[in-house]
Amino acid sequence: SAVISQKPSRDICQRGTSLTIQCQVDSQVTMMFWYRQQPGQSLTLIATANQGSEATYESGFVIDKFPISRPNLTFSTLTVSNMSPEDSSIYLCSVVTGVRSYNEQFFGPGTRLTVL
Amino acid sequence: AQSVTQLDSQVPVFEEAPVELRCNYSSSVSVYLFWYVQYPNQGLQLLLKYLSGSTLVKGINGFEAEFNKSQTSFHLRKPSVHISDTAEYFCAVSDSGTYKYIFGTGTRLKVLA
Repeated sequence: SAVISQKPSRDICQRGTSLTIQCQVDSQVTMMFWYRQQPGQSLTLIATANQGSEATYESGFVIDKFPISRPNLTFSTLTVSNMSPEDSSIYLCSVVTGVRSYNEQFFGPGTRLTVL
Repeated sequence: AQSVTQLDSQVPVFEEAPVELRCNYSSSVSVYLFWYVQYPNQGLQLLLKYLSGSTLVKGINGFEAEFNKSQTSFHLRKPSVHISDTAEYFCAVSDSGTYKYIFGTGTRLKVLA
Protein backbone atom coordinates (compact mmCIF):
# COMPACT_ATOMS: atom_id res chain seq x y z
CA SER A 1 0.00 0.00 0.00
CA ALA A 2 0.96 3.66 -0.04
CA VAL A 3 0.19 6.69 2.07
CA ILE A 4 -0.52 9.70 -0.09
CA SER A 5 -0.85 13.30 0.97
CA GLN A 6 -2.00 16.25 -1.08
CA LYS A 7 -1.54 19.94 -0.49
CA PRO A 8 -3.57 22.04 -0.26
CA SER A 9 -6.60 20.07 0.87
CA ARG A 10 -8.84 22.84 -0.42
CA ASP A 11 -8.58 26.31 -1.85
CA ILE A 12 -10.72 29.12 -3.15
CA CYS A 13 -9.15 30.97 -6.06
CA GLN A 14 -9.94 33.89 -8.28
CA ARG A 15 -10.60 33.57 -11.99
CA GLY A 16 -7.45 33.92 -14.10
CA THR A 17 -5.02 32.77 -11.42
CA SER A 18 -3.14 29.47 -11.17
CA LEU A 19 -2.88 26.89 -8.41
CA THR A 20 -0.26 24.20 -7.95
CA ILE A 21 -1.29 21.02 -6.16
CA GLN A 22 1.29 18.76 -4.60
CA CYS A 23 1.14 14.99 -4.23
CA GLN A 24 3.59 13.27 -1.88
CA VAL A 25 3.88 9.51 -1.39
CA ASP A 26 5.56 7.78 1.53
CA SER A 27 7.39 5.31 -0.72
CA GLN A 28 8.68 5.05 -4.26
CA VAL A 29 5.98 4.23 -6.77
CA THR A 30 6.01 3.12 -10.37
CA MET A 31 3.14 5.18 -11.69
CA MET A 32 1.44 8.42 -10.69
CA PHE A 33 -1.77 9.78 -12.12
CA TRP A 34 -3.90 12.90 -11.82
CA TYR A 35 -7.69 12.78 -11.91
CA ARG A 36 -10.43 15.38 -11.89
CA GLN A 37 -13.79 14.83 -10.20
CA GLN A 38 -16.25 17.51 -11.17
CA PRO A 39 -19.19 18.18 -8.85
CA GLY A 40 -21.54 15.21 -8.80
CA GLN A 41 -19.59 13.37 -11.45
CA SER A 42 -17.14 10.54 -11.74
CA LEU A 43 -13.39 10.62 -11.98
CA THR A 44 -11.73 11.53 -15.24
CA LEU A 45 -8.08 10.83 -15.86
CA ILE A 46 -6.17 14.01 -16.72
CA ALA A 47 -2.71 12.59 -17.29
CA THR A 48 -0.02 10.15 -16.30
CA ALA A 49 2.89 11.86 -14.56
CA ASN A 50 6.14 10.49 -15.93
CA GLN A 51 9.30 10.74 -13.92
CA GLY A 52 11.87 12.89 -15.65
CA SER A 53 9.84 13.47 -18.80
CA GLU A 54 6.70 15.15 -20.03
CA ALA A 55 3.39 13.88 -18.75
CA THR A 56 1.07 11.86 -20.97
CA TYR A 57 -2.24 13.68 -21.32
CA GLU A 58 -5.65 12.21 -22.02
CA SER A 59 -7.92 13.51 -24.73
CA GLY A 60 -9.35 16.88 -23.78
CA PHE A 61 -6.49 17.86 -21.48
CA VAL A 62 -3.45 19.88 -22.54
CA ILE A 63 -0.14 20.74 -21.01
CA ASP A 64 -0.66 24.49 -21.19
CA LYS A 65 -3.72 24.23 -18.98
CA PHE A 66 -2.54 21.44 -16.67
CA PRO A 67 1.26 21.41 -16.48
CA ILE A 68 2.54 18.45 -14.48
CA SER A 69 5.91 17.74 -12.96
CA ARG A 70 7.32 14.57 -11.46
CA PRO A 71 10.91 15.14 -10.40
CA ASN A 72 11.28 11.82 -8.54
CA LEU A 73 9.49 8.60 -7.65
CA THR A 74 7.60 10.00 -4.66
CA PHE A 75 6.42 13.46 -5.67
CA SER A 76 4.36 15.16 -8.36
CA THR A 77 2.64 18.48 -8.92
CA LEU A 78 -0.35 19.49 -10.99
CA THR A 79 -0.92 23.13 -11.86
CA VAL A 80 -4.33 24.38 -12.89
CA SER A 81 -3.58 27.44 -15.01
CA ASN A 82 -5.64 30.49 -15.88
CA MET A 83 -8.54 29.15 -13.86
CA SER A 84 -12.20 29.63 -14.60
CA PRO A 85 -15.26 28.57 -12.58
CA GLU A 86 -15.49 25.46 -14.77
CA ASP A 87 -12.25 24.26 -13.17
CA SER A 88 -13.98 23.94 -9.80
CA SER A 89 -13.48 20.27 -9.00
CA ILE A 90 -11.75 17.83 -6.74
CA TYR A 91 -8.32 16.94 -8.04
CA LEU A 92 -6.91 13.59 -6.94
CA CYS A 93 -3.59 11.95 -7.46
CA SER A 94 -3.25 8.20 -7.50
CA VAL A 95 -0.29 5.85 -7.53
CA VAL A 96 0.57 2.31 -8.44
CA THR A 97 3.23 0.68 -6.31
CA GLY A 98 3.83 -2.52 -8.24
CA VAL A 99 5.07 -3.34 -11.70
CA ARG A 100 2.04 -5.27 -12.88
CA SER A 101 -0.81 -3.53 -14.65
CA TYR A 102 -3.31 -5.21 -12.38
CA ASN A 103 -1.87 -3.59 -9.31
CA GLU A 104 -4.49 -1.41 -7.75
CA GLN A 105 -4.32 2.35 -7.67
CA PHE A 106 -4.16 4.10 -4.33
CA PHE A 107 -5.75 7.51 -4.16
CA GLY A 108 -4.85 10.61 -2.27
CA PRO A 109 -7.46 12.51 -0.23
CA GLY A 110 -7.99 15.05 -2.99
CA THR A 111 -7.78 18.81 -3.33
CA ARG A 112 -11.10 20.60 -3.41
CA LEU A 113 -10.80 23.65 -5.67
CA THR A 114 -13.38 26.39 -5.95
CA VAL A 115 -12.88 29.10 -8.56
CA LEU A 116 -14.83 32.32 -8.18
CA ALA B 1 -13.26 2.23 -26.07
CA GLN B 2 -14.00 0.79 -22.70
CA SER B 3 -16.96 2.21 -20.78
CA VAL B 4 -18.61 1.59 -17.43
CA THR B 5 -22.28 2.04 -16.56
CA GLN B 6 -23.65 2.36 -13.07
CA LEU B 7 -27.37 2.45 -13.64
CA ASP B 8 -28.38 3.68 -10.20
CA SER B 9 -27.26 7.15 -9.23
CA GLN B 10 -28.79 6.82 -5.77
CA VAL B 11 -29.82 3.82 -3.70
CA PRO B 12 -31.65 4.34 -0.41
CA VAL B 13 -31.85 1.29 1.84
CA PHE B 14 -32.78 0.67 5.44
CA GLU B 15 -30.18 -0.40 7.94
CA GLU B 16 -29.61 -4.17 8.12
CA ALA B 17 -31.25 -4.68 4.73
CA PRO B 18 -29.33 -6.21 1.81
CA VAL B 19 -28.12 -4.05 -1.05
CA GLU B 20 -26.90 -4.54 -4.59
CA LEU B 21 -25.14 -1.82 -6.58
CA ARG B 22 -25.04 -2.53 -10.28
CA CYS B 23 -22.11 -2.12 -12.65
CA ASN B 24 -21.87 -3.06 -16.31
CA TYR B 25 -18.92 -2.59 -18.59
CA SER B 26 -18.43 -2.75 -22.31
CA SER B 27 -17.09 -5.99 -23.66
CA SER B 28 -13.40 -6.69 -23.81
CA VAL B 29 -11.20 -9.72 -24.12
CA SER B 30 -9.72 -9.39 -20.69
CA VAL B 31 -10.42 -6.82 -18.02
CA TYR B 32 -9.68 -6.05 -14.42
CA LEU B 33 -12.59 -4.79 -12.33
CA PHE B 34 -12.61 -2.70 -9.17
CA TRP B 35 -15.03 -1.22 -6.68
CA TYR B 36 -13.98 1.85 -4.74
CA VAL B 37 -15.79 3.67 -1.95
CA GLN B 38 -15.60 7.38 -1.26
CA TYR B 39 -16.76 8.63 2.10
CA PRO B 40 -17.74 12.29 2.39
CA ASN B 41 -14.77 14.62 1.97
CA GLN B 42 -12.34 11.75 1.62
CA GLY B 43 -10.38 10.05 -1.15
CA LEU B 44 -11.18 6.70 -2.71
CA GLN B 45 -10.62 3.44 -0.92
CA LEU B 46 -10.48 0.07 -2.66
CA LEU B 47 -13.25 -2.30 -1.59
CA LEU B 48 -12.38 -5.24 -3.82
CA LYS B 49 -11.00 -6.21 -7.18
CA TYR B 50 -11.39 -8.95 -9.75
CA LEU B 51 -8.34 -9.99 -11.73
CA SER B 52 -9.02 -13.61 -12.66
CA GLY B 53 -10.13 -16.91 -11.16
CA SER B 54 -13.16 -17.23 -8.93
CA THR B 55 -16.00 -15.05 -10.09
CA LEU B 56 -17.09 -14.25 -6.54
CA VAL B 57 -14.79 -11.74 -4.93
CA LYS B 58 -14.88 -10.81 -1.28
CA GLY B 59 -13.72 -7.44 -0.08
CA ILE B 60 -13.50 -5.33 3.01
CA ASN B 61 -16.38 -4.30 5.27
CA GLY B 62 -18.47 -7.35 4.31
CA PHE B 63 -18.85 -6.43 0.64
CA GLU B 64 -18.61 -8.91 -2.20
CA ALA B 65 -19.00 -8.76 -5.96
CA GLU B 66 -19.68 -11.27 -8.68
CA PHE B 67 -18.04 -11.13 -12.07
CA ASN B 68 -20.36 -12.26 -14.87
CA LYS B 69 -18.56 -12.37 -18.18
CA SER B 70 -21.59 -13.23 -20.30
CA GLN B 71 -23.52 -10.26 -18.93
CA THR B 72 -20.42 -8.05 -18.65
CA SER B 73 -21.42 -7.17 -15.11
CA PHE B 74 -19.70 -6.77 -11.78
CA HIS B 75 -22.42 -6.05 -9.23
CA LEU B 76 -21.53 -5.20 -5.65
CA ARG B 77 -23.50 -6.72 -2.78
CA LYS B 78 -23.73 -6.64 0.98
CA PRO B 79 -26.18 -8.83 2.91
CA SER B 80 -26.74 -6.33 5.73
CA VAL B 81 -25.79 -2.67 5.54
CA HIS B 82 -24.91 -0.28 8.33
CA ILE B 83 -25.35 3.45 8.66
CA SER B 84 -21.59 3.76 8.23
CA ASP B 85 -21.85 2.34 4.69
CA THR B 86 -23.41 5.59 3.52
CA ALA B 87 -21.00 6.76 0.83
CA GLU B 88 -20.40 7.03 -2.91
CA TYR B 89 -19.43 3.80 -4.64
CA PHE B 90 -17.49 3.73 -7.90
CA CYS B 91 -17.01 0.85 -10.27
CA ALA B 92 -13.87 0.94 -12.41
CA VAL B 93 -12.50 -1.20 -15.21
CA SER B 94 -9.17 -1.45 -16.90
CA ASP B 95 -8.11 -3.51 -19.87
CA SER B 96 -5.53 -6.05 -18.78
CA GLY B 97 -2.08 -4.82 -19.64
CA THR B 98 -2.90 -1.15 -19.06
CA TYR B 99 -2.95 1.05 -16.02
CA LYS B 100 -5.75 3.24 -17.28
CA TYR B 101 -8.93 3.06 -15.21
CA ILE B 102 -12.34 3.97 -16.58
CA PHE B 103 -14.73 4.91 -13.80
CA GLY B 104 -18.49 4.72 -13.71
CA THR B 105 -20.54 7.71 -12.66
CA GLY B 106 -20.94 6.42 -9.13
CA THR B 107 -23.83 5.27 -6.96
CA ARG B 108 -24.68 7.14 -3.80
CA LEU B 109 -25.71 4.65 -1.15
CA LYS B 110 -27.78 6.14 1.65
CA VAL B 111 -28.50 3.88 4.58
CA LEU B 112 -31.55 4.89 6.56
CA ALA B 113 -32.13 4.21 10.23
